[in-house]
Amino acid sequence: GAGVSQSPSNKVTEKGKDVELRCDPISGHTALYWYRQSLGQGLEFLIYFQGNSAPDKSGLPSDRFSAERTGGSVSTLTIQRTQQEDSAVYLCASSPRTSGTSYNEQFFGPGTRLTVL
Amino acid sequence: AQSVAQPEDQVNVAEGNPLTVKCTYSVSGNPYLFWYVQYPNRGLQFLLKYITGDNLVKGSYGFEAEFNKSQTSFHLKKPSALVSDSALYFCAVRLNTGFQKLVFGTGTRLLVSP
Repeated sequence: GAGVSQSPSNKVTEKGKDVELRCDPISGHTALYWYRQSLGQGLEFLIYFQGNSAPDKSGLPSDRFSAERTGGSVSTLTIQRTQQEDSAVYLCASSPRTSGTSYNEQFFGPGTRLTVL
Repeated sequence: AQSVAQPEDQVNVAEGNPLTVKCTYSVSGNPYLFWYVQYPNRGLQFLLKYITGDNLVKGSYGFEAEFNKSQTSFHLKKPSALVSDSALYFCAVRLNTGFQKLVFGTGTRLLVSP
């Protein structure tokens, strides 16, 4: 079946503009995650959704970052007033329902490469 | 706080030789440990995981990893490297509690020469 998809694959924007990044998880996956991959920084957790709610937003770097998920499916990560340090690859992952001590593997999308000029 | 260290930025190995990519972790409880691989311009692909049970875990593409609790390590290994194994490898950890996020290492680039 289809994997996790993300759009756009590449986004170039000017400093100060707002951007929206989209993630379509695997059908039926209730958990959704956003990560950021910066050069030399590895992968950094941003936010986790279970259904439409976000029990863990601890990785969002500032209040310029927000995310929502609707219908338990598509998620949008919004960055307002972009800065050059926001340039990175933004990765989305999804997994079947997971809670407590259970674990289900996360499946990653190809990412959106964001460049802020 | 949980963390993962991958002490090598790059590992070079000749095709046919065994390879090891190192990972150590730090968590306060029992860890779940993972290896992911990233090929150029591709998302991360799951290789293997340790949840509980046998310390030697076998995964995709002939890779395996050994969980060593006393050394807090989870090194990735393969008996005979292929040129096509050249990629960026990430080790990750999460707690076996309610915390769902993965904490990743900074990645190790594996370069397998012909």
